[in-house]
Amino acid sequence: DAGVTQSPTHLIKTRGQQVTLRCSPISGHKSVSWYQQVLGQGPQFIFQYYEKEERGRGNFPDRFSARQFPNYSSELNVNALLLGDSALYLCASSSSGGENYNEQFFGPGTRLTVL
Amino acid sequence: AQRVTQPEKLLSVFKGAPVELKCNYSYSGSPELFWYVQYSRQRLQLLLRHISRESIKGFTADLNKGETSFHLKKPFAQEEDSAMYYCALSGGSGYSTLTFGKGTMLLVSP
Repeated sequence: DAGVTQSPTHLIKTRGQQVTLRCSPISGHKSVSWYQQVLGQGPQFIFQYYEKEERGRGNFPDRFSARQFPNYSSELNVNALLLGDSALYLCASSSSGGENYNEQFFGPGTRLTVL
Repeated sequence: AQRVTQPEKLLSVFKGAPVELKCNYSYSGSPELFWYVQYSRQRLQLLLRHISRESIKGFTADLNKGETSFHLKKPFAQEEDSAMYYCALSGGSGYSTLTFGKGTMLLVSP
């Protein structure tokens, strides 16, 4: 297993555009979480999905949305991009989304630059 | 609101010296605390979690609820320990989301 994979690796957009980031979890994992990591900061939680349902949402505007597909892969969408959206977007998968913590395995991230 | 504070952006030590990376947290319930590590050009990975009470790569961390701290320690630093270290907390919603600190870069010089 290649672990969590994310595409694309890098992306350059201009203000006002829309972007879609993709994530494939580790085989057998049903939960996917998205994090934003701005330069010099730790990752900040955006969304968690489990069995195609949203289980958690961080303090991000409605411009951010996500979904999970039947094969447990996930997409993160950001509309009306702002310069401040420039960041590394991390995807993490875990085996379940239940109340007990399951180790999250992180992907390599997608580097988004907004000009 | 839950918060994780790592007061040092950079910690530079010589090989063989003891290391302590500080982490303090704010959380009203019973949190789970973790240390994640990111080596150069590698992805973020779990180093250890407090409930395991394990020693990983010579690192240990003890949860001190009275001081709300979870400092990471190693008695003798190695050059290969050079990396970015993040303290993280899980709690709140009850699901496995993580609140991270800003991270501490550990540089171990020969």
